[in-house]
Amino acid sequence: GAGVSQTPSNKVTEKGKYVELRCDPISGHTALYWYRQSLGQGPEFLIYFQGTGAADDSGLPNDRFFAVRPEGSVSTLKIQRTERGDSAVYLCASSFVNTGVNEQFFGPGTRLTVL
Amino acid sequence: DQQVKQNSPSLSVQEGRISILNCDYTNSMFDYFLWYKKYPAEGPTFLISISSIKDKNEDGRFTVFLNKSAKHLSLHIVPSQPGDSAVYFCAASSGTYKYIFGTGTRLKVLA
Repeated sequence: GAGVSQTPSNKVTEKGKYVELRCDPISGHTALYWYRQSLGQGPEFLIYFQGTGAADDSGLPNDRFFAVRPEGSVSTLKIQRTERGDSAVYLCASSFVNTGVNEQFFGPGTRLTVL
Repeated sequence: DQQVKQNSPSLSVQEGRISILNCDYTNSMFDYFLWYKKYPAEGPTFLISISSIKDKNEDGRFTVFLNKSAKHLSLHIVPSQPGDSAVYFCAASSGTYKYIFGTGTRLKVLA
């Protein structure tokens, strides 16, 4: 069965540019999460969707970061005016349910490099 | 402030021996703990979990031990195999979807 997929796998951009990172969750998973993993660190929570709405965006570092999930499936993480400090691997995960603790299935990530 | 700590960035073990990976946490509200394994260029994959009502959970070669009073958990892999070579992340949750991850331990199993 298909797992979580993310595109592109690698993205190189210049400081100040706008980027979009896409996540296709496992079919039927209602919950979707974005994490950011910087070099030498573990994944860090950014935002959580239940269906189409962002139920918790407390991990987004600032207002340059925004994510959408318009139809409750695919999600796009958008970063405006990229900075060198945004360079990291951006991981997407999905799960069946949104209540309580449940196993999150991760995609392979998008490695973003801001020059 | 790192709420979940993995103080050993790397560990090397001979094939067939036991691998012990450690994790410490500071938040006493955490009540669910997970271990994820990550190979290069892949996302983390779930390995094993434990609820705070237990002190041990076993799944094949993998066993997780939880010591709530010490706020410490460990993952034991017996016997270790070369295919176990990966980065292992400990994660904790306080009954919600929000996982707090440690910085990971790179395990190398030597053939």
